[in-house]
Amino acid sequence: EAGVVQSPRYKIIEKKQPVAFWCNPISGHNTLYWYRQNLGQGPELLIRYENEEAVDDSQLPKDRFSAERLKGVDSTLKIQPAELGDSAVYLCASSPRLAGVHETQYFGPGTRLLVL
Amino acid sequence: AQSVSQHNHHVILSEAASLELGCNYSYGGTVNLFWYVQYPGQHLQLLLKYFSGDPLVKGIKGFEAEFIKSKFSFNLRKPSVQWSDTAEYFCAVNAAYGGATNKLIFGTGTLLAVQP
Repeated sequence: EAGVVQSPRYKIIEKKQPVAFWCNPISGHNTLYWYRQNLGQGPELLIRYENEEAVDDSQLPKDRFSAERLKGVDSTLKIQPAELGDSAVYLCASSPRLAGVHETQYFGPGTRLLVL
Repeated sequence: AQSVSQHNHHVILSEAASLELGCNYSYGGTVNLFWYVQYPGQHLQLLLKYFSGDPLVKGIKGFEAEFIKSKFSFNLRKPSVQWSDTAEYFCAVNAAYGGATNKLIFGTGTLLAVQP
């Protein structure tokens, strides 16, 4: 079974530029998550989707970050404009059931973003 | 707010030594507990998980963890480490939080280096 796919794996941009990350979850997984992992820290949830609905975006900085999951499968996370402090690894994860707490989350390889 | 503490940021062991990594969480309700591992250059992988039942949980590669509810702890153990166990280990807690479920809270991680 294919795992969670993310692209690109690495991205270097200058501050104030836009950037987008793409995620394809494991087939059949309804729930999709975006996390940010700063250096030396654990991942922190940015947004969680159940199908195409964003059900928890309380930690998403909405002034510059946006996300979408239009058909309930692939998702994109965008930053516009990027700031130096956005340098981090952006992780996508998926899990197989809706709204229960027993699902295990499966993580993709992440996109490592460096903002210069 | 819920939090997860991993007391050891860096651990260096020789092969065949025993390992115990501490994890404490702050949440008074029902929790699901996880240990994830990230090998160098790879993505986060599930090592083991506790949902209910026997508090001693066995995972992959000889790892185990014990849930002690009275101590709010979920320490990871392995009786004899190998060089291939060199990785970063993350403890995570999944607790119902308001109307949002399946929100993983991660610790800051423990970097384990095993010397051959």
